[in-house]
Parts: sequence; C-alpha cells; structure tokens
Amino acid sequence: GENVEQHPSTLSVQEGDSAVIKCTYSDSASNYFPWYKQELGKRPQLIIDIRSNVGEKKDQRIAVTLNKTAKHFSLHITETQPEDSAVYFCAASLASAGGTSYGKLTFGQGTILTVHP
Amino acid sequence: EAQVTQNPRYLITVTGKKLTVTCSQNMNHEYMSWYRQDPGLGLRQIYYSMNVEVTDKGDVPEGYKVSRKEKRNFPLILESPSPNQTSLYFCASSSGSDTGELFFGEGSRLTVL
Repeated sequence: GENVEQHPSTLSVQEGDSAVIKCTYSDSASNYFPWYKQELGKRPQLIIDIRSNVGEKKDQRIAVTLNKTAKHFSLHITETQPEDSAVYFCAASLASAGGTSYGKLTFGQGTILTVHP
Repeated sequence: EAQVTQNPRYLITVTGKKLTVTCSQNMNHEYMSWYRQDPGLGLRQIYYSMNVEVTDKGDVPEGYKVSRKEKRNFPLILESPSPNQTSLYFCASSSGSDTGELFFGEGSRLTVL
C-alpha cells in the first residue's frame, strides 16, 4: 500500500519568514495530493491540493509543488503569520478516472509549525 | 448548515464493552471515512465507504467494524475495545466532486481503560 513520509516533524520560524514542508510517497499510481491544516483542538481543514497533471499550484501565500518522477511534493508558506501556527498534514491518494473521488487516503505524520511574532 | 456530526465527543469506557461512535452528514456526500489520530502517527484511515452498502478497509481496520446502510450515516463499531484503541477519532465525508475536499467532524476522544 501507499506510504507517505513527512518532514520535518516540527518547524519553528519567525513571522515573515517562509516555511517549507516536504512529503514523499511510495505508490507511483497516486495522483491526488491534498494538504490539511489542523489548529489546536480543531478538526483538519483542506488548505490546498494538487493533482498529478499539475506541477505547481498557488493560492495567495501558500503553494504546493509536485515532482512525480521523484515522488515528492512540498508545501510552501510565504510571509508566515502567527495564525499559520498549526499542524499540517500531507496526504496521497489514487483518485478515480474522473480525477475526483478517491478511496484510500494515506496521510503523513504531520508537521507542527510554530510562527513566532 | 453543512456539517459532519459525531457522537459522542468524549467517552471513557472499559476493555471489552462494545461501543458505537455515530457519524452523520447532511451534505448528501457519497464518500465517508473514519480516521484515528495519534501523536507522531498522523491521521490513519480505518475504513472508508464509496457509497451505500460499499465499504472497504483502510490502513488500520483491525478491531473495528463499520456499516453504511444509509447515505448520511457511517457508524464506527468497536465490538471489544482494548486500551490500544484509545485515540482521537475523526469521521469525514466528501462529495467526490472536483475538489475532493474532505469535511471532518469535530472528533471523538475515546479512552479505553
């Protein structure tokens, strides 16, 4: 089955700096890669996702890059703010032929990001 | 309001006493799944369901059962709970539409003594 490794497990940055979280996956058939943010005591929420037919996707201060050959993808947060402090999870899945619904979804171990004011 | 509702939110029980964690969504989503969250291990999928009467194992299904008799409900059953099932459990659903976004419930913290 799929195995997703996420690094680093903790990341501490100063406000305004950039943060990068990296994930590798094992199943070359995986084609859908979402990122979730979980604030303390809250439920995970989707912040960005990417599909295997795209190499990079941006949404304001966050971006995700995908290297299918190397089987790794990364989350980039620029101009970090204290409210970015949370646990971030990457995940990998094999989406259906329509590129949407999926079955097994394997998450990474999570990265605790702390942004110091 | 669109939501995924889990009950109970908190439960302390004893080894071997059967329990059910309910999950209900009001978004007419086809896909539903259960995860457990443990420190350092992230979110691990227990079971998922692509539609009514269609369920399949995730990565850690041992000790759990599920059923999907109705589209909106996806209960998680622990027939004989053990202390290693002490965890934070999340139910989630998705429409399977273009976004693929998972909507999570608020979580159920289970302690098995």
